Amino acid sequence: AIQMTQSPSSLSASVGDRVTITCRASQGIRNELAWYQQKPGRAPNLLIYSASTLQSGVPSRFSGSGSGTDFTLTISSLQPEDFATYYCLQDYNYPLTFGQGTKVEFK
Amino acid sequence: EVQVVESGGGLVQPGGSLRLSCAASGFTFSEYYMDWVRQAPGKGLEWVGRSRNKVNSHTTEYAASLKGRFTISRDDSRNSVDLQINSLESEDTAVYFCSRGYCNTKDCINFYGMDVWGPGTTVTVSS
Repeated sequence: AIQMTQSPSSLSASVGDRVTITCRASQGIRNELAWYQQKPGRAPNLLIYSASTLQSGVPSRFSGSGSGTDFTLTISSLQPEDFATYYCLQDYNYPLTFGQGTKVEFK
Repeated sequence: EVQVVESGGGLVQPGGSLRLSCAASGFTFSEYYMDWVRQAPGKGLEWVGRSRNKVNSHTTEYAASLKGRFTISRDDSRNSVDLQINSLESEDTAVYFCSRGYCNTKDCINFYGMDVWGPGTTVTVSS
């Protein structure tokens, strides 16, 4: 199975900060990666698919980049509602695999 | 309104079985892939398995560690997809989510992500 390694596992940031989360695949997955946001007690929410395509209705401060093995989720200006846990998911082959998550906390 | 809603969770003894259901509405169910994802208490997300759409004959895929105990089936006439779990173990204690996903081609070269999720149903395995 493809291993997805996210970093950092957690970070502290302030409103207005630029935040970057990385996800590395154990083998090349082309651009077949999605990013999800999850808040406590809630279902995940799709932010980005195909590595860089913004899901409809998601604010433009979220962006994704990368291809092959290295991917990045960037929040250009952190907002109060963005404090959450973020997961990457590869859908290149089966079994699909998630990263371990990155918790974004208030500094 | 486009939505999916899970049901069927509960408290089960180790070794028991459970059937979870996911009811979909507001979209053409047969066109979509349906996934099950679970989350153990305080842990991350774990993909459980997938049912492909009608064009792909509803074929299924599973996480390797779960294969054999977990079975996904769907009924497009009822807009529902089920997850049968047998020989339950304490490690199966989790919230189980159902989600939909879309591919624009039969071979699903481009997957558009899991864009609609249910609120989840909780399975607790304990004696």
